[in-house]
Amino acid sequence: DAGVIQSPRHEVTEMGQEVTLRCKLISGHNSLFWYRQTMMRGLELLIYFNNNVPIDDSGMPEDRFSAKMPNASFSTLKIQPSEPRDSAVYFCASSWGWQAGYGYTFGSGTRLTVV
Amino acid sequence: DAKTTQPPSMDCAEGRAANLPCNHSTISGNEYVYWYRQIHSQGPQYIIHGLKNNETNEMASLIITEDRKSSTLILPHATLRDTAVYYCIVRVANQAGTALIFGKGTTLSVSS
Repeated sequence: DAGVIQSPRHEVTEMGQEVTLRCKLISGHNSLFWYRQTMMRGLELLIYFNNNVPIDDSGMPEDRFSAKMPNASFSTLKIQPSEPRDSAVYFCASSWGWQAGYGYTFGSGTRLTVV
Repeated sequence: DAKTTQPPSMDCAEGRAANLPCNHSTISGNEYVYWYRQIHSQGPQYIIHGLKNNETNEMASLIITEDRKSSTLILPHATLRDTAVYYCIVRVANQAGTALIFGKGTTLSVSS
């Protein structure tokens, strides 16, 4: 099993540009979570899906952020337009069922720098 | 979900047991205790979870007090690779609610 795969690993972009982060779930998992981590705010839950349906997006900071699951194994997190304060490490995680607290498998993260 | 309190940092000598405490004095009867850790620049990793009985797996042991108001994660023989931030999370399992919410955790430093 290749685990949760995130791409790109690093992204440097200019303020105002659109950024798309990608995540491939573990085969058989049906829940997908996006987190963001900064030194100041720690690990924050942004949004999560179950069976391709968003369950809770209350952690999404602004309308500039959007997330989709076009199919059962893939998700994107888009920031448009990007701002320097969006700089962070973005993690996605997948699991079988979102209610259980165990079995979350995280990807290696995407380090986003907006200049 | 109940709030947890963890010390911000701890030190441990390599080869010794690392005992990481977590206070969850307002825990409800149907809330589980979960432990995850995050090694530098990696995503968090699940370690162990429990309801009221002590649990052990290949990574660690979880000791939950009888009143369930606190717990201790034990790494029996810490190695340098166990240096990480350890998160204690309390939440209801298998019931509608929120996904895992991470606090600040405890930074464990293992030294030789």
